Amino acid sequence: QSALTQPPSASGSPGQSVTISCTGTSSDVGGYNYVSWYQQHPGKAPKVMIYEVNKRPSGVPDRFSGSKSGNTASLTVSGLQAEDEADYYCSSYAGSKEVFGGGTKLTVL
Amino acid sequence: QVQLVQSGAEVKEPGASLKVSCKASGYTFTDYYMHWVRQAPGQGLEWMGRINPNSGGTNYAQKFQGRVTMTRDTSISTAYMELSRLRSDDTAVYYCAREKLDWGQGTLVTVSS
Repeated sequence: QSALTQPPSASGSPGQSVTISCTGTSSDVGGYNYVSWYQQHPGKAPKVMIYEVNKRPSGVPDRFSGSKSGNTASLTVSGLQAEDEADYYCSSYAGSKEVFGGGTKLTVL
Repeated sequence: QVQLVQSGAEVKEPGASLKVSCKASGYTFTDYYMHWVRQAPGQGLEWMGRINPNSGGTNYAQKFQGRVTMTRDTSISTAYMELSRLRSDDTAVYYCAREKLDWGQGTLVTVSS
């Protein structure tokens, strides 16, 4: 059982927006602004899409955005494209350790 | 650009030990924590621990305490993760990650008799 809770699946049509949630506790998500989101395509290493709740590394499209409210963080993908279909994981700093969510499979219909 | 190059795939017998290396380039090795994360077949990501390459200080996930050792060699900008008393459920891809921002290519470890 993962420390952070994500929905197992999400979907949307091309051009639409989809939001994936990541729920933790005050000891992780709610306690620190160190939530990251990763995209993973089959057989590939994870790629960071968002770090420190809402920061985007260079090269990540601005269609990807992150936010946090209380113990729940969210990743929003706007203007869905076929290449966005992948697994998405959240993680959070939790005081000298890190915790991951169980992952969400995003399907572009 | 940042590169993390990991050692190659390994097959181990139950009870054996494993040591995976992660050679870093493109940045100052001692400036950033190195994390180790694993992913069992068809499963999610699991954090194993991290090492401060500057001090050598480590933090391990409770699950791996007593079985995992993370070290580094600053002279060659390389981090290591050693896992002992391997079991079949340790079969996974093991990743190193610089502050979880840049990731290695992964090392497939198969534990089987």
